[in-house]
Amino acid sequence: GAGVSQSPSNKVTEKGKDVELRCDPISGHTALYWYRQSLGQGLEFLIYFQGNSAPDKSGLPSDRFSAERTGGSVSTLTIQRTQQEDSAVYLCASSLVVAGGPGETQYFGPGTRLLVL
Amino acid sequence: GIQVEQSPPDLILQEGANSTLRCNFSDSVNNLQWFHQNPWGQLINLFYIPSGTKQNGRLSATTVATERYSLLYISSSQTTDSGVYFCAGDTGGFKTIFGAGTRLFVKA
Repeated sequence: GAGVSQSPSNKVTEKGKDVELRCDPISGHTALYWYRQSLGQGLEFLIYFQGNSAPDKSGLPSDRFSAERTGGSVSTLTIQRTQQEDSAVYLCASSLVVAGGPGETQYFGPGTRLLVL
Repeated sequence: GIQVEQSPPDLILQEGANSTLRCNFSDSVNNLQWFHQNPWGQLINLFYIPSGTKQNGRLSATTVATERYSLLYISSSQTTDSGVYFCAGDTGGFKTIFGAGTRLFVKA
């Protein structure tokens, strides 16, 4: 597609349930990022994927959060046993990173708005 | 970890006015970028500017990497410029850190 897409756009779940959020990056982009944005706040880095390298998981807030990227393209962020404090907008971005070169501009998807009741 | 400070936190402008937004980093950063988040939440990249000056229409940005700051200039502001402006960068490894943002409202 022309841009980064995310699904679902909105998700309401009950506390304790698991949720999966999907991100389709721009075709050909090798780098993929997940962020979380709480209401009225800035973006919090969660995880970064680059090609076939091991992901940088340093931003994941707890072991209830995990992410994978299959075939170097689509990524899924999974939150297990959701808590009310997980309510936020989850944003995905992708960039074209030249091996050995500097990072490039990040292009963001529209986000998934998660509400945990 | 690296700290990113943006100023001012809030800004109200009359349409047609100019403004300067500032971003300070506590450490040297790579891959500095500016973004605009519109009132519907969509983030749009404005500039990828690790150093130097760039211009795009009514917007321009300057990064002085040796002094760890970047400036975003908005000239002849329009109501569509309203939203939140973020700067972001990393210290290597691509863990991108965002500032808290400058919330801009442009009055007609």
